[in-house]
Parts: sequence; structure tokens; C-alpha cells
Amino acid sequence: DAGITQSPRHKVTETGTPVTLRCHQTENHRYMYWYRQDPGHGLRLIHYSYGVKDTDKGEVSDGYSVSRSKTEDFLLTLESATSSQTSVYFCAISESDLSRAFQETQYFGPGTRLLVL
Amino acid sequence: TQLLEQSPQFLSIQEGENLTVYCNSSSVFSSLQWYRQEPGEGPVLLVTVVTGGEVKKLKRLTFQFGDARKDSSLHITAAQPGDTGLYLCARTGGGSNYKLTFGKGTLLTVNP
Repeated sequence: DAGITQSPRHKVTETGTPVTLRCHQTENHRYMYWYRQDPGHGLRLIHYSYGVKDTDKGEVSDGYSVSRSKTEDFLLTLESATSSQTSVYFCAISESDLSRAFQETQYFGPGTRLLVL
Repeated sequence: TQLLEQSPQFLSIQEGENLTVYCNSSSVFSSLQWYRQEPGEGPVLLVTVVTGGEVKKLKRLTFQFGDARKDSSLHITAAQPGDTGLYLCARTGGGSNYKLTFGKGTLLTVNP
């Protein structure tokens, strides 16, 4: 199994509070991703990183920010949590970009279940 | 948005039965991946298909990529309870080298 951990694994918070989720990898992979998974929507990309301090938006980035100060850590912050951000959040990593996906694998972490009341 | 349509959405079968799930798009895939996700865990890659008409086998799982590279299927022979999970297809391409587009998945339950 790829060395990916996510913390916390479960969190309950209140609307309007900031929340930070952490993804930590021991694989030294360059690329890291944050997805959310919701019934009826599948997995959707929030933000991704292609190196230290290099990040970009995915398809559902509004209300989220990310930071990557070290290769091994990718943080996802909900600036002011809303009930619509209740979801399961997955971090993923890959060694290179997906332009040669037939040679590349994206490894997923175990997920963080977030409930915003 | 280049959508991936998966069908059926839900499938419940008895142990020993065969099944096929499908992944379709209106546009051509550069490559397609199949993942399985067990409850409480992240998706795990099963296979990547690249060439139109390609068939890959993984034990009792057979993956096929359509000739036109717009569809794919996953066939499971003699399903077992351990096959229970959410099966997701994902495509690359669509103008981004960083993004996988996922289908919504087929939730398979294999009853003993």
C-alpha cells in the first residue's frame, strides 16, 4: 500500500468555522490531489499540486484553499465551513502527471469524513 | 465537461453469478482506468486500458476497451462476496494532464 495518511479521519464542525485537513505521504511523489466524494456526484477534484508551493484549482475549488510547503504534506483548508461541504475528502498522489496515464497510477488515502452542522 | 456514464448504478447479485458493468462517454478517451473502492477506504486502481479493442484480465475480472475508445466494460465471472464494492471508471485527457474525470460508479453487492 502507498504510504498515504489523512488526518483527521472524522470531524464534526459548525458552519462558519475554519477547518484544515492534512494529507501526508511517505512516497516522495511530486503530484498530490484533493477530491471530494458525494452521492450522485462521484469523485470531484478540488485542488492539486505539482510541486512544493505549486498548486492549482480543480473543478470544485470555491470555498477551499490549499498549501504545500513540503513534498510530503498537502493541506486542504475550508475557510468558513458550510453544510454543502459535508462530504468525504480523499487525498491522492502520483509520481508524475497523468499525460501518460497508462504508465501512471494515482494512489488514494483512506479519506476524511467531514460533517458540517 | 466530458461526462462518464456508468451503468447500472446499483447491482445486487448472489455469489457465483456473472455480471457486467459499463462505462460510456460521448467523446474519445485517451486512456481509461477502473478502480474498486471498498467501504471506508479510498479507491484502488485495478487496470488501465489504452488501446481500442484491448482486453485485459485480472483473475476473474475481464476489462474491455471499445474499438472506438468511447466505452469500456468490466465483467466479473463467478462473483464472490469479496468483490463487493464501488467500481469506478476514470478517464484522462480532456485537455488536462492533471485531472482524472470519474464516473459516479456502480455499487456492487455480492450476497453469500
